[in-house]
Amino acid sequence: DIQMTQSPSSVSASVGDRVTITCRASQGISSWLAWYQQKPGKAPKLLIYAASSLQSGVPSRFSGSGSGTDFTLTIFSLQPEDFATYYCQQANSFPLTFGGGTKVEIK
Amino acid sequence: QVQLQQWGAGLLKPSETLSLTCAVYGGSFSGFHWSWIRQPAGKGLEWIGKISHSGSTNYNPSLKSRVTISLDTSKNQFSLKLSSVTAADTAVYYCARAYSGYDYLFGYWGQGTLVTVSS
Repeated sequence: DIQMTQSPSSVSASVGDRVTITCRASQGISSWLAWYQQKPGKAPKLLIYAASSLQSGVPSRFSGSGSGTDFTLTIFSLQPEDFATYYCQQANSFPLTFGGGTKVEIK
Repeated sequence: QVQLQQWGAGLLKPSETLSLTCAVYGGSFSGFHWSWIRQPAGKGLEWIGKISHSGSTNYNPSLKSRVTISLDTSKNQFSLKLSSVTAADTAVYYCARAYSGYDYLFGYWGQGTLVTVSS
């Protein structure tokens, strides 16, 4: 199985801050990576696909980058509605696996 | 607008079989892969398995011996069965559809069903 390691597990930030979340795959996955946002009691929402492509309707302050084993999700100018948990997911091989999540909290 | 609506029993006893169904409204049923994913309370996401529109399946090896995913194209529905459940299977279960053009990313999700296993 491909292990997906996210860091940090949680981050405290203020509105307007830039937040960076990293995801490392235990083996190369090319650009077969997605990022999801999940709010309490809700299903995850796809933000970024193919490592760096923004899903339709997602604000441009969200940005993804990386390929191979190292990936980054950046939120430029954090907004109140961005406080949530973020997950990466590899789509390179079965079983499909997710990172452990990063909780973005209000500072 | 694609919508996934899921249902099934929410309370099971150990050794029983979990059974959930997901109905797809809007969009095409064929040409996509359909997955089940679960999330224990306060924890991360675990992919359970998927079925393609043609009926081919892939399961997470950690659950493979107990999982069956099937589809009913006439009703635009797909289902999950997980046998011999234990307390470790207590979680919110989600159905999901692949994102267009990316078979193994999840663009659409059901609302989630909390399944509790308790004697």
